[in-house]
Amino acid sequence: DIQMTQSPSSLSASVGDRVTITCQASQSVRKYLNWYQQKIGEAPEVLVHGATNLETGVPSRFSGSGFGTDFTLTITSLQPEDAATYYCQQYDNFPLTFGGGTKVEI
Amino acid sequence: QVHLQESGPGLVKPSETLYVSCTVSGGSISRYYWSWIRQPPGKGPEWIGFVYYTGTTNYNPAVEDRVSILIDAPKNQFSLRLASVTHADSAVYYCATGPVFGVGSEATWGQGTLVTVSS
Repeated sequence: DIQMTQSPSSLSASVGDRVTITCQASQSVRKYLNWYQQKIGEAPEVLVHGATNLETGVPSRFSGSGFGTDFTLTITSLQPEDAATYYCQQYDNFPLTFGGGTKVEI
Repeated sequence: QVHLQESGPGLVKPSETLYVSCTVSGGSISRYYWSWIRQPPGKGPEWIGFVYYTGTTNYNPAVEDRVSILIDAPKNQFSLRLASVTHADSAVYYCATGPVFGVGSEATWGQGTLVTVSS
């Protein structure tokens, strides 16, 4: 299985801050990487697919970058509603695997 | 817009078989992938497997010997069967559908159903 390692596991930032979350795959997943946001009591929602493509309806302050084994999710100006846990997930190989999550506190 | 609703037992005893169903409304089950994902309390999600609308399946090797995912097209439902459950199978179980293995871009998820394995 491909292991997905996220860092940090949690962070605290202020409204307006730039936040960066990283995800490292144990082997190349090419561009096949999704980022999700999960709020308490809700299902995960995709923010970014194909490593860099913003899902329709997702605010432009979110962006994804990377290829191969190293990926980044950036929030350029943190908003109160961005308080959530963020997960990366690879879909280049089966089984599909998720990272351990990064909890973002405002 | 397709809507998914899980239905599960809530509580299952160790060694028993878990059945969870997902009712599809607002769209046809005759397209895309239909996936199950679970999330133990306080942990990240784990992909269990999917059934393609043609009936083709793909399962996570971690549960492959205990799991089956089936489509019931006339009822517009699909289901998860997990045998010989242990406490490690306690989780929120989500059903999901979409064009890319049922997760990711354009995917729709259900709200999830909590299943606890306990005697």
